[in-house]
Amino acid sequence: DAGVTQSPTHLIKTRGQQVTLRCSPKSGHDTVSWYQQALGQGPQFIFQYYEEEERQRGNFPDRFSGHQFPNYSSELNVNALLLGDSALYLCASSLDSFTEAFFGQGTRLTVV
Amino acid sequence: QKEVEQNSGPLSVPEGAIASLNCTYSDRGSQSFFWYRQYSGKSPELIMSIYSNGDKEDGRFTAQLNKASQYVSLLIRDSQPSDSATYLCAVKGSGNTPLVFGKGTRLSVIA
Repeated sequence: DAGVTQSPTHLIKTRGQQVTLRCSPKSGHDTVSWYQQALGQGPQFIFQYYEEEERQRGNFPDRFSGHQFPNYSSELNVNALLLGDSALYLCASSLDSFTEAFFGQGTRLTVV
Repeated sequence: QKEVEQNSGPLSVPEGAIASLNCTYSDRGSQSFFWYRQYSGKSPELIMSIYSNGDKEDGRFTAQLNKASQYVSLLIRDSQPSDSATYLCAVKGSGNTPLVFGKGTRLSVIA
């Protein structure tokens, strides 16, 4: 049973560029949440998708947007990258939002 | 602002000892509590979940919850060097509220 998978694992982008990160949830899971983890910090909630709709959103600017597809996979898009966007981006999946969430391996984004 | 507080550590314990990790949270409406282990450069791995007051044991791990004191802890018995990692406490409220994480406690088990 494949767990949560994310791609790519590492990415280097230039300030001002745009990036798309991808996530496939664990089999049987329908809810995908995205988190940003800066070095030495706990994960910070970006947003959550359920039934292709953004259901919850954390305190992140509109430069951060997402999408969920009918097969429950999800994308995170970040526009106009800033140096401060450099972080580990984590995708977590769960069966609705009431159950345990499992994380993918993350995407390490470096903005230069 | 919902907050989860953890001592950042490092917490150093000798091999074979009990490691005790603590977490407090601000939202009295919190209903679900989780401990994740995160090795350096890796993603968080769920190791324990607890939903009601009291203790929950799973192998060498015991989670303890006291909702009146807004306190959750994780005990690791017979600590091993492979337990050296950052332990993240995560708390969830009712309904569709997301997980709120603490900054994590770094544990170092000395052989």
